[in-house]
Amino acid sequence: NAGVTQTPKFRVLKTGQSMTLLCAQDMNHEYMYWYRQDPGMGLRLIHYSVGEGTTAKGEVPDGYNVSRLKKQNFLLGLESAAPSQTSVYFCASSLKGVAGLAEAFFGQGTRLTVV
Amino acid sequence: GDSVTQMEGPVTLSEEAFLTINCTYTATGYPSLFWYVQYPGEGLQLLLKATKADDKGSNKGFEATYRKETTSFHLEKGSVQVSDSAVYFCALRVPGGGADGLTFGKGTHLIIQP
Repeated sequence: NAGVTQTPKFRVLKTGQSMTLLCAQDMNHEYMYWYRQDPGMGLRLIHYSVGEGTTAKGEVPDGYNVSRLKKQNFLLGLESAAPSQTSVYFCASSLKGVAGLAEAFFGQGTRLTVV
Repeated sequence: GDSVTQMEGPVTLSEEAFLTINCTYTATGYPSLFWYVQYPGEGLQLLLKATKADDKGSNKGFEATYRKETTSFHLEKGSVQVSDSAVYFCALRVPGGGADGLTFGKGTHLIIQP
């Protein structure tokens, strides 16, 4: 029972570098999400996907891109990293938004530092 | 828009003390309500949930009751343990309100001292 797996767990980038965070889920969930967690801000939604081949912007999408080429994978890309993107990133997945089934399952997080 | 307000910490208690973490919400529809817990260095885990008014969610000795009249979902535990030290997030989700995930509060850091 892997659930939601994020790679890598830690990364240090220099300003201007690019990278991709990978999220994989084995629960056949339709919905997948990327959040960032910052001190005193809680979790904020970056992008989300309602199914393979579809993506949408969340609350804080600027500076990020995403792709959902396969149902089980959701990639988060930073094309040109900035220090403001230093954060802990969480991927989550869930079944469709039906009351009682709307529980989201989270990965362990990726701690990204941009210097 | 939807929002969740919860008491900010840190909240420091002694072991076996009674715990209450307040959570109130505003929502455009009829939300489902959740408490998530994040232990140090880990991701979020669902602690409990409630999907309609007067429902009580419970798990691991924690309880929360969905109060529609006061738009609240306060988390309680009768006797906390050191192992309960974590960050607790109140969250809501409006079914059919789009696939834009959960709306989270800012989190309450709970510290239990032996």
